[in-house]
Amino acid sequence: QSALTQPASVSGSPGQSITISCTGTSSDVGGYNYVSWYQQHPGKAPKLMIYEVSNRPSGVSNRFSGSKSGNTASLTISGLQAEDEADYYCSSYTTGSTNVVFGGGTKLTVL
Amino acid sequence: EVQLVESGGGLVKPGGSLRLSCAASGLTFSSYSMNWVRQAPGKGLEWVSSISSSSSYIYYADSVKGRFTISRDNAKNSLYLQMNSLRAEDTAVYYCARQVNWGRFDPWGQGTLVTVSS
Repeated sequence: QSALTQPASVSGSPGQSITISCTGTSSDVGGYNYVSWYQQHPGKAPKLMIYEVSNRPSGVSNRFSGSKSGNTASLTISGLQAEDEADYYCSSYTTGSTNVVFGGGTKLTVL
Repeated sequence: EVQLVESGGGLVKPGGSLRLSCAASGLTFSSYSMNWVRQAPGKGLEWVSSISSSSSYIYYADSVKGRFTISRDNAKNSLYLQMNSLRAEDTAVYYCARQVNWGRFDPWGQGTLVTVSS
C-alpha cells in the first residue's frame, strides 16, 4: 500500500494561516471520510488533531480544521503560533489488506 | 485518563526476536481495536499491525507479515507484538495506539525503541 502524499515542509509566520495537503486515491482518502491528522513534536508521541476529515477531539484548538475534496484532504492551521511548529501526518482508512495508510509527514516551521 | 505504556524494546541482533508489550489503563480495553505503529529514526509513521477487540480480525503491513504476531490479553489489559526474524530495517520506535474508529488512533503510548544491529 503506497503512502499518502504530503509536502515535505511548509512554513508560515505567527498569526498567518497555512494548509497542509494529503493526497491519496479513491481507495483511501477519496473513498471514505476516515481521514485523520496527527501532530508530533520532536521526541514525543503523535497526538490526534483531526478525525473523520473535519472533527476535532476535545481539547484541540479550533485553530485547527480539516477538509477534503476528491482524493485530497487538507489540514489548515490559522493564527499560527510558535507551539504549532511540529511534524504533521495524515492517515486514512484504505481498502485492501492493511486498512490504514499514513502520509509521509510534513514539517511545519513557524518563522 | 487513558494511558498506554509500551515496554520490551532494546538492542537485538539481526535474525533475533523480541516481544513488545503495551499496558493499558483508564479505558475498557476489551472494547477497542488496538494497533502498533512504528517510526524509524528520522522517518515518518508506518502502520504495523492491528487487532480487533476480540482478536477476531488481525491485519499486518506487508513489511512484517509472516515475521510479526500481534496478540492481546483483555483480562490483563495488555497488547503484545512478537517480532521474529528481525532485520536492520525494523529499527524504530514502536508505538501502541487505541483505535477509536477507522484510522482514528487516540491516544498513543510514549513508544519503545527497538534497535536491530550486530
